[in-house]
Amino acid sequence: QVQLQQSGRGLVKPSQTLSLTCAISGDSLASHTAAWNWIRQSPSRGLEWLGRTYFRSKWFNEYSPSVRGRITVNPDTSKNQFSLQLSSVTPEDTAVYYCARGVGALFDSWGQGTLVTVSS
Amino acid sequence: QTVVTQEPSLSVSPGGTVTLTCGLNSGSVSSGNYPSWYQQTPGQTPRALIYTTNSRASGVPDRFSGSILGNKAALTVTGAQADDESDYYCALYVGGGVHWVFGGGTKLTVL
Repeated sequence: QVQLQQSGRGLVKPSQTLSLTCAISGDSLASHTAAWNWIRQSPSRGLEWLGRTYFRSKWFNEYSPSVRGRITVNPDTSKNQFSLQLSSVTPEDTAVYYCARGVGALFDSWGQGTLVTVSS
Repeated sequence: QTVVTQEPSLSVSPGGTVTLTCGLNSGSVSSGNYPSWYQQTPGQTPRALIYTTNSRASGVPDRFSGSILGNKAALTVTGAQADDESDYYCALYVGGGVHWVFGGGTKLTVL
């Protein structure tokens, strides 16, 4: 059974970079059938898909237009984990951030969630 | 901008049947939007229920079923139980770089 364990700071100052990591157990980051996603949830924006990374003979990254230009999702095969970096954050980026495995059309496994607050 | 619409709240009696819907502001929902459904209780992580319109995720009881009803995706709960009281979210694949869009959720009350 796949498990996703998130880590990272819960408080980020405005204009700085939010960084989170998602460690995978029970599956391989380089799986040819899975994609590794970041999703956030806030009262004002609801659930919002942010981006993903996946391997299909080479690595692909795809990002939502709402955060494109500020987001980077990086795979780390040596540690079987992937990361999220979101730059130039504002209070509107305050949310619970989740990593999630996507298999086909389903986000079937989720990390525990990390509340990230953007505040000075 | 793509908006996915859901009923803000619904209620059902214990043992009753309720249908939640998931629509698109830009038109009809089809199987090509690969509708999926998630259950979330307060403070918990979303739990996968249904994918590709009507396939149940692992371990999901068969009282949960998915379909396309008219121009919307639908989640039907048959024989509702007290612990079905949760928030339910649908997600649609819309492509075009946006990929996945979630609905605002339906708060289901069992009373």
